[in-house]
Parts: sequence; structure tokens; C-alpha cells
Amino acid sequence: KAGVTQTPRYLIKTRGQQVTLSCSPISGHRSVSWYQQTPGQGLQFLFEYFSETQRNKGNFPGRFSGRQFSNSRSEMNVSTLELGDSALYLCASSLVPAGLAGVYNEQFFGPGTRLTVL
Amino acid sequence: GIQVEQSPPDLILQEGANSTLRCNFSDSVNNLQWFHQNPWGQLINLFYIPSGTKQNGRLSATTVATERYSLLYISSSQTTDSGVYFCAVGTAGGTSYGKLTFGQGTILTVHP
Repeated sequence: KAGVTQTPRYLIKTRGQQVTLSCSPISGHRSVSWYQQTPGQGLQFLFEYFSETQRNKGNFPGRFSGRQFSNSRSEMNVSTLELGDSALYLCASSLVPAGLAGVYNEQFFGPGTRLTVL
Repeated sequence: GIQVEQSPPDLILQEGANSTLRCNFSDSVNNLQWFHQNPWGQLINLFYIPSGTKQNGRLSATTVATERYSLLYISSSQTTDSGVYFCAVGTAGGTSYGKLTFGQGTILTVHP
């Protein structure tokens, strides 16, 4: 079974631009979540989608948005890029959302997109 | 929200040594995972272990859910074990829905 794929793997943008990152989950997985990793803040949750609906959102400004398509693929968009948005963006896929009681909810991560904002 | 603390923050070993990494969490969990982050940034799944004990080769893990901690054991360490190890937990309800909360990680360095 193919793993989680993310495109592009590397991206360089300038301040003020916008960017769209893509994540294709493992076949059959309906939950996709996104995380931002920076040296100072560690791994932080951005949002989670299940069956095309955003179910939870982390503490990030409205410049960060996402969506999920009917085939469970997900995209996240960052508008008006700032220097501080430089980070590794990771997506995770699973059968069901993380943390559900009594249900197998192991998360599998993609290789990440490394975004550099100049 | 739930808090996750990992210890030690840094660990330096000689090849062949054993080590124990600890993860403390502040609330009951329905998901606990251990990951190894490779040099390219990908999180590699080691264990999905919200409770109990599991073993995979030289690695094993134990989660004592009632006491809110998990341990990752690495035996006969190899240089390829070097990297960052993360513990992450998931719990139900409210702002925790659908997300893993990560610890700050343990940086393991194994010298030949």
C-alpha cells in the first residue's frame, strides 16, 4: 500500500506571496491532519479534516486555511506569507481522527514540505 | 489542553548501550505514538501504544495509562538509531479532537 505523499517537497517563496501544499492520504483513510514544525515551537497542529469537513483547527491565524476533497486528498493554503512561516509542513493520514475512544486511530505521516520564505 | 513532557532532552550513547526514553502526559489518552524523525524530516512510526507493552526487534515500549507515562526502550543501540524521538498523544473531545499533541522530543546521538 502506498504511503502518504506530499507535494511539493521543497518550496521557496517571498514575503507576501501565497502557497498551496498538497497531501494524498493512504488509500482508504478519510482523516487528514496538518502540522507545522519549527525549531522554536516544535510540532504544532494546524487543522484536521474528515469526510471533507474541517473538524478542528489549531491556534493559527486565518492566513492558514485548508480543504479536503471527496477522494480524501487535502490541500492547505497560506496567504500573505511571512518570514515566520518558514517551516516543515507535515500531513498525517488515518482511518479516523486521532484520539477517538475505542477505535484504532494510528496516524501515518508524509515526508513533509519544507517551505522557505525569503 | 493536554501536556506532554519527554525526558531526557538529549542523550549521548556509545554503540551497544541501552537507553530508556520517557514520556509523561497530563490526561487520559486514546492514542499514544512513538516516532523517530529521520534526517529528512519524515516521522517514522515506531509504536502505536495507548496502553500495554509492545516489542519490535531491539525496540520496545510500555505505556502505563493509569499513571500517565510511556517508556521507549532501545537496546544494543546502533549509530543508525541517532535522531529525534517524539512521543505524541491523542485524546477525545473539545479542542483535542483529531489532533496529536507532541512532546519536545529527545535527541539521541549514538557514537561508534
